[in-house]
Amino acid sequence: DAGVIQSPRHEVTEMGQEVTLRCKPISGHNSLFWYRQTMMRGLELLIYFNNNVPIDDSGMPEDRFSAKMPNASFSTLKIQPSEPRDSAVYFCASSSQGKDYGYTFGSGTRLTVV
Amino acid sequence: RKEVEQDPGPFNVPEGATVAFNCTYSNSASQSFFWYRQDCRKEPKLLMSVYSSGNEDGRFTAQLNRASQYISLLIRDSKLSDSATYLCVVTTRSSASKIIFGSGTRLSIRP
Repeated sequence: DAGVIQSPRHEVTEMGQEVTLRCKPISGHNSLFWYRQTMMRGLELLIYFNNNVPIDDSGMPEDRFSAKMPNASFSTLKIQPSEPRDSAVYFCASSSQGKDYGYTFGSGTRLTVV
Repeated sequence: RKEVEQDPGPFNVPEGATVAFNCTYSNSASQSFFWYRQDCRKEPKLLMSVYSSGNEDGRFTAQLNRASQYISLLIRDSKLSDSATYLCVVTTRSSASKIIFGSGTRLSIRP
């Protein structure tokens, strides 16, 4: 089991640049979640997909953020244009719905916007 | 008031001690509860689910108190390797399921 795979592990970019984060969920999991973690705000759910369909994007900070899931094995989170306050660790997690489903997280992408 | 609240700690206890911390939630419709563990600069990992009847996994015991709307985690005979941040997760199953992470409780075990 390869787990949830995120890329890149680290990203340093200049303010105003476009940033794309990638996630491959665990095969067979039908729910995918994007989280952001900072010291100040903790873990925040940005958006989640069920069967590739966005269900709740109320956590997406603003229009600069967008997420897609074109198929069951791939999702992207895009920030355009990026700002220094977007600096955080972005986690992707997946789960299979069931009575006791838990979430398996990827290793995260540490984003620094300078 | 936050939907899920945890004491941020840090809890600093000696090796071998028993330590317990709680997590309170505000939505009485919450249905699923979990404890996650997060090591420094790592991703959160599922520690255990919390069932209505409570559950135990080795040195770890989780309890749910629906009447008072809190979950608890008890760690017996603590080890140095238990040092981490413990996050509680509360989910609400509805047409738009909400998944809320607590901000975490930091635990530090000293030799």
